[in-house]
Amino acid sequence: AQSVTQLDSQVPVFEEAPVELRCNYSSSVSVYLFWYVQYPNQGLQLLLKYLSGSTLVKGINGFEAEFNKSQTSFHLRKPSVHISDTAEYFCAVSDPAAGNKLTFGGGTRVLVKP
Amino acid sequence: KAGVTQTPRYLIKTRGQQVTLSCSPISGHRSVSWYQQTPGQGLQFLFEYFSETQRNKGNFPGRFSGRQFSNSRSEMNVSTLELGDSALYLCASSLAGGLGSPLHFGNGTRLTVT
Repeated sequence: AQSVTQLDSQVPVFEEAPVELRCNYSSSVSVYLFWYVQYPNQGLQLLLKYLSGSTLVKGINGFEAEFNKSQTSFHLRKPSVHISDTAEYFCAVSDPAAGNKLTFGGGTRVLVKP
Repeated sequence: KAGVTQTPRYLIKTRGQQVTLSCSPISGHRSVSWYQQTPGQGLQFLFEYFSETQRNKGNFPGRFSGRQFSNSRSEMNVSTLELGDSALYLCASSLAGGLGSPLHFGNGTRLTVT
């Protein structure tokens, strides 16, 4: 069975500072990897995805993530955050053979302070 | 293009009652998935429908059921409601089944069971 661990439940960060959100997964098969963001009272919005190819993936809103197969990690980074990046971020994996079922991590709440 | 629409946005029910939630996917999307989001358990997969067939099911009791219609709209039903069913229920649609197709989430239905 797959599992996803987001190592930080909360990350406070000052505006214009960089942020890194850590995600590790366990799976016995090759997986697809995703990062989603959830703003208050809203659903989830896709930030980026890794299916194959280049291990550095660029997403929306200036976010990027790096897939590391040997460390089974998919950390999310942004070089300079804005107040509007305050939200909860979820890492997720899916097994290509299991349709669209996503297994999510517990989420990381990012609080950007002025 | 309209996004995923979930109705109603908020629902209050009493223990023992049943409830039906509705989801209209993005036009052209044939896969619809349902997730339950709670503070304690996080995001958990309920089931996925593709072309009116349930393709995948999570670890929820049989009180949770769903269906998909020929126009890809989906409904989710929870019978004999329990207090622990209070949650945000998220519907997501995707263009195709699997192969890393990103999920597009609706804003959810917040169910409160009293």
